[in-house]
Amino acid sequence: NAGVTQTPKFQVLKTGQSMTLQCAQDMNHNSMYWYRQDPGMGLRLIYYSASEGTTDKGEVPNGYNVSRLNKREFSLRLESAAPSQTSVYFCASSARGGWDTDTQYFGPGTRLTVL
Amino acid sequence: GQQVMQIPQYQHVQEGEDFTTYCNSSTTLSNIQWYKQRPGGHPVFLIQLVKSGEVKKQKRLTFQFGEAKKNSSLHITATQTTDVGTYFCAGRRGGKLIFGQGTELSVKP
Repeated sequence: NAGVTQTPKFQVLKTGQSMTLQCAQDMNHNSMYWYRQDPGMGLRLIYYSASEGTTDKGEVPNGYNVSRLNKREFSLRLESAAPSQTSVYFCASSARGGWDTDTQYFGPGTRLTVL
Repeated sequence: GQQVMQIPQYQHVQEGEDFTTYCNSSTTLSNIQWYKQRPGGHPVFLIQLVKSGEVKKQKRLTFQFGEAKKNSSLHITATQTTDVGTYFCAGRRGGKLIFGQGTELSVKP
């Protein structure tokens, strides 16, 4: 099992460009999440999907959109990138639907720089 | 804003010294999880605490959940260079998981 995979690993964008970060998990998990990590800020939830077909906003959703393509895949789109979106983005998944008391498994991250 | 506070932000220790990081919430948590992130890596789940006053051990690591379920701590006895990384607590409240800012541990051999 690969666990949670993310593409790309690194990306540099110019202000105003768009891009989609891809995430897939092969653990048959119901829930998937997108976080951003900035120095001194910990992990902040952008969007999550409690189950296939549903998505909800997290703590910092502005400037992002998501798609739960199927049970395996959860993508994050930046429509018009801004320097404030320079960050490391982590996708995660967990087994049970919703926010039950279970472990989150993280992908390797995407390091995004917006110039 | 950040609702789960973690201190200290950085800790530098000599190998063999002990290390403790603290996590505090202004409101009661349903449970708390701890994660470790190695430099350049991704967070990896360590443990979950659910009960008031719960204490769990994993080798040299001791995790505690406060009686009021508003705070938690992670203590590492006799640190090793393999302990280097950032330790995050994540508190569950009202159906959401809120991460602390993390404590970055460096260990001098």
